[in-house]
Amino acid sequence: EPEVTQTPSHQVTQMGQEVILRCVPISNHLYFYWYRQILGQKVEFLVSFYNNEISEKSEIFDDQFSVERPDGSNFTLKIRSTKLEDSAMYFCASLGTARDEQYFGPGTRLTVT
Amino acid sequence: GESVGLHLPTLSVQEGDNSIINCAYSNSASDYFIWYKQESGKGPQFIIDIRSNMDKRQGQRVTVLLNKTVKHLSLQIAATQPGDSAVYFCAETLSGYSTLTFGKGTMLLVSP
Repeated sequence: EPEVTQTPSHQVTQMGQEVILRCVPISNHLYFYWYRQILGQKVEFLVSFYNNEISEKSEIFDDQFSVERPDGSNFTLKIRSTKLEDSAMYFCASLGTARDEQYFGPGTRLTVT
Repeated sequence: GESVGLHLPTLSVQEGDNSIINCAYSNSASDYFIWYKQESGKGPQFIIDIRSNMDKRQGQRVTVLLNKTVKHLSLQIAATQPGDSAVYFCAETLSGYSTLTFGKGTMLLVSP
């Protein structure tokens, strides 16, 4: 069964550093998402991406965040200058059509020290 | 139940019992609802979905009920097994490709 993959599984970085989280969505999917989950809390939407542009973003997704689909398979989330409060699990999701459910990747645990 | 702060409501059941997990959603315009299961250290896993033109949908061992009048969803798991132990989230969206808004989650603990 096709699945969303994410790398790395765990990223430790120092405050102020840039990080890039990588996702490979399901190959024929057209809609891509990033969510985050702070430990013990609910999953929160960050950004959605369709047709090579951001279609929606939340208040969390400020100027420190950016997304890119650099080629036909990868979908990345960049945090330019990480803060302690960016520590969370980051989930990528993809969607084929509006009639389908979003498929989630296993997540990247980001720890900012 | 509803969660407060970092503490998830917890439902503890015995293996073989039926479990009911409840969720109150926020947007009366939402028309697509999904239940996700999240095991420790993993991403949300789709369980079952329902559209707003239905009030009940059944899957294998799971049933979702939707009450639009009071904006309430429930997930019923029949003959609960230890492998069902996880955090369960409901999610709502305005359309199939729109962003998901997740509920606060309920932890289900199944003891043998």
